[in-house]
Amino acid sequence: EAQVTQNPRYLITVTGKKLTVTCSQNMNHEYMSWYRQDPGLGLRQIYYSMNVEVTDKGDVPEGYKVSRKEKRNFPLILESPSPNQTSLYFCASSLTGDGYTFGSGTRLTVV
Amino acid sequence: GQQLNQSPQSMFIQEGEDVSMNCTSSSIFNTWLWYKQDPGEGPVLLIALYKAGELTSNGRLTAQFGITRKDSFLNISASIPSDVGIYFCAARETSGSRLTFGEGTQLTVNP
Repeated sequence: EAQVTQNPRYLITVTGKKLTVTCSQNMNHEYMSWYRQDPGLGLRQIYYSMNVEVTDKGDVPEGYKVSRKEKRNFPLILESPSPNQTSLYFCASSLTGDGYTFGSGTRLTVV
Repeated sequence: GQQLNQSPQSMFIQEGEDVSMNCTSSSIFNTWLWYKQDPGEGPVLLIALYKAGELTSNGRLTAQFGITRKDSFLNISASIPSDVGIYFCAARETSGSRLTFGEGTQLTVNP
């Protein structure tokens, strides 16, 4: 089944403890992207990647890192999480950069 | 960054009614997309629009790419309870550029 898989689905962590949210797609898509969703703010792009080793900042990149060493994987790294990074995170991939397929989301709570 | 202003923020309607929502921007875009998000899931692509003036249907859904390329509209006819969810517009300037999302319209359909 064609899908975007992100893990974990739920995560509670403490301020300052590094964490990684994994994302993998099995559709051989060029484009991958990370979004965060907060009430009243819609989906805001954190980082996106147009191909292996090619990444660029989105609207809200501060406090996040990404890497694209292989086409299928696009992990999101929070080196030192803070409470304002508590949010619902979505990974997505696309062949053309338009019709993104989204994962099921990761709900992160930083206390 | 670019902003998409989506309205209304929320709608409460009776089953069978038609629904209209729109998205506007001060920027010009070459691609407009409409997504739906069910509770607990990631957004799913409903309709993609690639040409100014284009009118595209997907079942009971109809979307239009505004002539000015600064807006788009989504209409849902004869709403049913499973139409409940958050509807997002999204737009992209050029091929390879990042996708920007609106704040979303929360739709509630009363049986």
